[in-house]
Amino acid sequence: LAKTTQPPSMEAYEGQEVNVSCSHTNIATSEYIYWYRQVPHQGPQFIIQGYKDYVVNEVASLFISADRKLSTLSLPWVSLRDAAVYYCIVTDMAGNYKPTFGKGTSLVVHP
Amino acid sequence: ETAVFQTPNYHVTQVGNEVSFNCKQTLGHDTMYWYKQDSKKLLKIMFSYNNKQLIVNETVPRRFSPQSSDKAHLNLRIKSVEPEDSAVYLCASSFGVQDTQYFGPGTRLLVL
Repeated sequence: LAKTTQPPSMEAYEGQEVNVSCSHTNIATSEYIYWYRQVPHQGPQFIIQGYKDYVVNEVASLFISADRKLSTLSLPWVSLRDAAVYYCIVTDMAGNYKPTFGKGTSLVVHP
Repeated sequence: ETAVFQTPNYHVTQVGNEVSFNCKQTLGHDTMYWYKQDSKKLLKIMFSYNNKQLIVNETVPRRFSPQSSDKAHLNLRIKSVEPEDSAVYLCASSFGVQDTQYFGPGTRLLVL
């Protein structure tokens, strides 16, 4: 299974766009990329998923490099509610599901 | 809106005791999971359970065991707790093993 590497922390001001990177250099062809976020005293919450290229939904967008070794989660117009730990994980589509959640990126949002 | 329910929210116990945590999902999902989140916030999968097929993370000690009565419930039993079991235990569910997971709020365990 691929291991992911993210910056430990980031800071931004309300209204800014935030880009969180994730490196998964050993990602296999069967693996998808998922992003979750977690606020204190709650479980992780799904944000977006992708396999290649570019994916967008109402919450965020996800860019995946051509070699799939790097993905970037983009959060437009962050607010204080976006302060959380953001996790990038990759899943094995072969059925032997053992996702690896890394340490995540702690996003601090300043008013 | 919460659709994965966990009880209790908190549990404090002593070394050697047995504890059991409950998890119920109302999403109609076929797969459920238990994760352990330690003090460093690292999230590690313990079990996944799909159509009565249990997939175990080989690093999980044998004192941990999942218990399922139907596909909407997956409880976690710890036979004889140890101090290193202090953590937050998160339950999740999804339609299939590769699908988006929905997490519960977690059960915080403190072993004295």
